[in-house]
Amino acid sequence: DTGVSQNPRHKITKRGQNVTFRCDPISEHNRLYWYRQTLGQGPEFLTYFQNEAQLEKSRLLSDRFSAERPKGSFSTLEIQRTEQGDSAMYLCASSRREGTGELFFGEGSRLTVL
Amino acid sequence: AQSVAQPEDQVNVAEGNPLTVKCTYSVSGNPYLFWYVQYPNRGLQFLLKYITGDNLVKGSYGFEAEFNKSQTSFHLKKPSALVSDSALYFCAVRDSRAAGNKLTFGGGTRVLVKP
Repeated sequence: DTGVSQNPRHKITKRGQNVTFRCDPISEHNRLYWYRQTLGQGPEFLTYFQNEAQLEKSRLLSDRFSAERPKGSFSTLEIQRTEQGDSAMYLCASSRREGTGELFFGEGSRLTVL
Repeated sequence: AQSVAQPEDQVNVAEGNPLTVKCTYSVSGNPYLFWYVQYPNRGLQFLLKYITGDNLVKGSYGFEAEFNKSQTSFHLKKPSALVSDSALYFCAVRDSRAAGNKLTFGGGTRVLVKP
């Protein structure tokens, strides 16, 4: 399978705990995006990388959230001191830099904060 | 700033009938427009895009969309809906002048095709 891979697919945690999600993009894609989707809503942009550089962060990304892409391949999204409002589906997508390419999405990591 | 509106939360249609899902957008420059579909517990799947050229764009699974610049719309259509088309549909826009491929999504429209 050469699609975008995310894990874990589901994570249940208690409020205050830290969680980390991993995304492996399509190998030839140098852009990687994180989105958040809550129930009944469209995906909301969080951040994106071009290779290892984080080029843009949304205001939605509070200081409890941090994303990395250390070698320009996989990426991690960490949420510290989770709150119930963090419960959502976290979607990762990748694309080529060139042209007008669409984003290719993974199946998402669903977070439930109790 | 860029934004997308999908005015219908849900569209119900009988199998075999035409399906239309509405989308309007707002961008400063020229728009790049996309439609995605999401099945339960799955990621978003790309259906089609408009970048430039012919206003009628054909995509996967028999879907098409018509770009209308004067109405700032990009409605998704299918001539004959199938029960398997029941899913959540998202319209997305990107300003052609913006750096990166960051997309802004609408709130989604749930399509229910009844046999």
